[in-house]
Amino acid sequence: ETGVTQTPRHLVMGMTNKKSLKCEQHLGHNAMYWYKQSAKKPLELMFVYSLEERVENNSVPSRFSPECPNSSHLFLHLHTLQPEDSALYLCASSHARHTEAFFGQGTRLTVV
Amino acid sequence: AQTVTQSQPEMSVQEAETVTLSCTYDTSESDYYLFWYKQPPSRQMILVIRQEAYKQQNATENRFSVNFQKAAKSFSLKISDSQLGDAAMYFCAYRSEENSGYALNFGKGTSLLVTP
Repeated sequence: ETGVTQTPRHLVMGMTNKKSLKCEQHLGHNAMYWYKQSAKKPLELMFVYSLEERVENNSVPSRFSPECPNSSHLFLHLHTLQPEDSALYLCASSHARHTEAFFGQGTRLTVV
Repeated sequence: AQTVTQSQPEMSVQEAETVTLSCTYDTSESDYYLFWYKQPPSRQMILVIRQEAYKQQNATENRFSVNFQKAAKSFSLKISDSQLGDAAMYFCAYRSEENSGYALNFGKGTSLLVTP
């Protein structure tokens, strides 16, 4: 247990559905991240929030919409996803730029 | 963007033996951080060890140690006295010190199998 909790652990959704992934950290960190992990590919950074402001957005399609209401919570809102969006979505947090990130256990997303 | 290369998709080691996982990276920066993360079947990424580029001394954490060769841009992980619980995916990661980016750049990972 690293202090970063993701829900749900598993999610199956249709291409017309709208769902949200939730991440919560209890470590007092001030930066939070969404990563996508697909088979046979390196982890891809999707979004970075620092002090609740988005600081990076790596050309992620608009069907993924992040939200960071406070420094402890991060959401990823999903709508009209494609089957190729099926992957493990990992949330992470860190205290500052110069420290390691702590990861949650991920949400295994399947788009049907 | 900095690239991280792990050239060994899979490695195998016998219990109690030593194994070395390779990692190379490409950067023009002089200040950065390097990490090894472990991802067991539970999927949670767990930090194994970190290395600051400005430190010449190789980092060690119990049975885990690194061989950091800055000029060669190499950052290998050595696992001594391997245990069954060491079986996992291992990812090498780079983090910039100089740029405004916060992100970790990961390699594709090495799957480590530990045999009894």
